[in-house]
Amino acid sequence: GAGVSQSPSNKVTEKGKDVELRCDPISGHTALYWYRQSLGQGLEFLIYFQGNSAPDKSGLPSDRFSAERTGGSVSTLTIQRTQQEDSAVYLCASSLTRARPLDQYFGPGTRLLVL
Amino acid sequence: AQKVTQAQTEISVVEKEDVTLDCVYETRDTTYYLFWYKQPPSGELVFLIRRNSFDEQNEISGRYSWNFQKSTSSFNFTITASQVVDSAVYFCALRTQGGSEKLVFGKGTKLTVNP
Repeated sequence: GAGVSQSPSNKVTEKGKDVELRCDPISGHTALYWYRQSLGQGLEFLIYFQGNSAPDKSGLPSDRFSAERTGGSVSTLTIQRTQQEDSAVYLCASSLTRARPLDQYFGPGTRLLVL
Repeated sequence: AQKVTQAQTEISVVEKEDVTLDCVYETRDTTYYLFWYKQPPSGELVFLIRRNSFDEQNEISGRYSWNFQKSTSSFNFTITASQVVDSAVYFCALRTQGGSEKLVFGKGTKLTVNP
C-alpha cells in the first residue's frame, strides 16, 4: 500500500517568510511524528500526535514552530518567520498504535532551504 | 536521559569487505527498543531492524547481522561482503516504552562502498 507522503519535496524560501509542510500518514496509522534532520545535528524529534490526545510538543525548537493534525490524518508543520538555521530536511513518520512496539515508517522528507 | 552515540562519522570500504557500524546507547529505562535505519542517497529512511531490551539474541538477515550486548550498551551492525548498493547513511536509534515513544537517533555513520 501507499507509504507516508510529504509535500513539497523541496522548498526554498526567503528569511522571514512562513512555510507550511504537509504529511499524509499511512492509512489507518493513528500516531504521527515530525523529525528534523539538519547538518551537524542529526535527526531530532519535533512533535508527536496520537489520536485525540494532546500532542507531545517537547521537541519544537521555538514558538515559531507549530503543527496540527486535522481529522486524525493529515498533518501540517508550520514555521513562521523562517530563519536560515531552519534549513533542514523535515521528516514525517507514522505508526499503527494497535500494534506493539509501534514501528515508525518514514516519508521521503521535505528539504527546506531558507535563503 | 536517552542518548545514542555512533562514533564513526564516515567509513569507506572496498566492495566485498566486511564492515561493522558501532552504536552505543544510554538509558535508565529497563524496557526499550533499539533500531537501525538506512538512509540511501534518495533520502528516505528505511527500517532495518528492531530489538527489544529483553532479547539479546543476535540476529542475521542475509548479509546483515546485529550484535546486541546489554553489558556494554551496544547494538552493532555488521554488513558482510559489502556491496556498492550498501552505500548510505546508517542510523541507530533508541526508543523507550511509554509516553510519546519518540525515537532518539545517533548522528549516523556514512558508509561508502567503493567498487
